[in-house]
Amino acid sequence: EIVLTQSPATLSLSPGERATLSCRASQSVSSYLAWYQQKPGQAPRLLIYDASNRATGIPARFSGSGSGTDFTLTISSLEPEDFAVYYCQQRRTFGPGTKVDIK
Amino acid sequence: QVQLQESGPGLVKPSQTLSLTCTVSGGSISSGDYYWSWIRQPPGKGLEWIGYIYYSGSTYYNPSLKSRVTISVDTSKNQFSLKLSSVTAADTAVYYCARETVVTDAFDIWGQGTMVTVSS
Repeated sequence: EIVLTQSPATLSLSPGERATLSCRASQSVSSYLAWYQQKPGQAPRLLIYDASNRATGIPARFSGSGSGTDFTLTISSLEPEDFAVYYCQQRRTFGPGTKVDIK
Repeated sequence: QVQLQESGPGLVKPSQTLSLTCTVSGGSISSGDYYWSWIRQPPGKGLEWIGYIYYSGSTYYNPSLKSRVTISVDTSKNQFSLKLSSVTAADTAVYYCARETVVTDAFDIWGQGTMVTVSS
């Protein structure tokens, strides 16, 4: 069973700053990794699939990279609506999440 | 566009069976391109995949819940359903239905979620 680890647990940043979130898999998952954004009281929203492909309607400031066991979600310049929890997912396993909050 | 909507009781007694239904609108559940999943999230915690069903009726469950889970599909109603037996307080969670793309394994569409509390 693959285990996903996300770091950091919490990232405190200001609007306009760059956010870099990490997801590490316990074994190689090739490029089969997705990222989700979840805001309080809402369902998760798919941001990135296959490690680097933006889902429909996702702004270009969101980008994903990586393969094998190490993956990164980058938000190039944080907008107020980007403060949320972010999860990575491989097949039917989710990481524990990274909370991006306002500094 | 495709939308998913969960429905079912918000309160279930311990040891009883939790039953939820997900209605798919704007698209057909009989598409071979998708799995139809249930995912849950206990209050303040992360996401846990419960299981999926394919339009053909084939299923796959989380091994940790397999003994208590049944997922079924009704293609005539464009719905799929979850039954979780012998519930305890640990099953209290927001339950989501979601569409998983076969090719990418990503969950691209989610229902809004429904809170289910297990309490006497």
